[in-house]
Amino acid sequence: GAGVSQSPSNKVTEKGKDVELRCDPISGHTALYWYRQSLGQGLEFLIYFQGNSAPDKSGLPSDRFSAERTGGSVSTLTIQRTQQEDSAVYLCASSSTHSTNEKLFFGSGTQLSVL
Amino acid sequence: GQQLNQSPQSMFIQEGEDVSMNCTSSSIFNTWLWYKQDPGEGPVLLIALYKAGELTSNGRLTAQFGITRKDSFLNISASIPSDVGIYFCAGLVRGSNYKLTFGKGTLLTVNP
Repeated sequence: GAGVSQSPSNKVTEKGKDVELRCDPISGHTALYWYRQSLGQGLEFLIYFQGNSAPDKSGLPSDRFSAERTGGSVSTLTIQRTQQEDSAVYLCASSSTHSTNEKLFFGSGTQLSVL
Repeated sequence: GQQLNQSPQSMFIQEGEDVSMNCTSSSIFNTWLWYKQDPGEGPVLLIALYKAGELTSNGRLTAQFGITRKDSFLNISASIPSDVGIYFCAGLVRGSNYKLTFGKGTLLTVNP
């Protein structure tokens, strides 16, 4: 597709359930990021994938959060045993080259609501 | 970790007015970026700044990379209703080429 695609756009779940959020980056983009945006807050870095390198997971808030990127393209962010404080917009972004990784193209995000 | 202090948190202005917002940090940044986020969408890059003192324009938008490398501002001239949204500053610190630090955003409302 032309842009970064995320699904679902909205997800409502019950506390304690697991959720999977999907990101389809722009074709050919080697770098992929997940950010979390809580109400009234800036974007919080979660995880970074670059090509075949080991991902930078330093932003994941707890071991309930994990992400993978299969085949260097699609990425899935999984949150296990969701808590109410996990409610936020989860944004995925991709960029094309290592030297200009700051020029991110964002998807529209997944609005996660944990009841 | 690094923090960006963005101000103001929100602004209510009349169409046609000029707007200014800024970000400051206690850390030195090598790159400053300004993004705009429309409701229900992801942020979109407006302007990227790479050198201290750099002043860059994009249409009615002008941004500057502070000479101390610890601040940046964004000006919007002659605002129009479609300027409504959340504006974020973001920066890359020395030693990182990918982990952006974001400000908390400035919510701009333009009254027609």
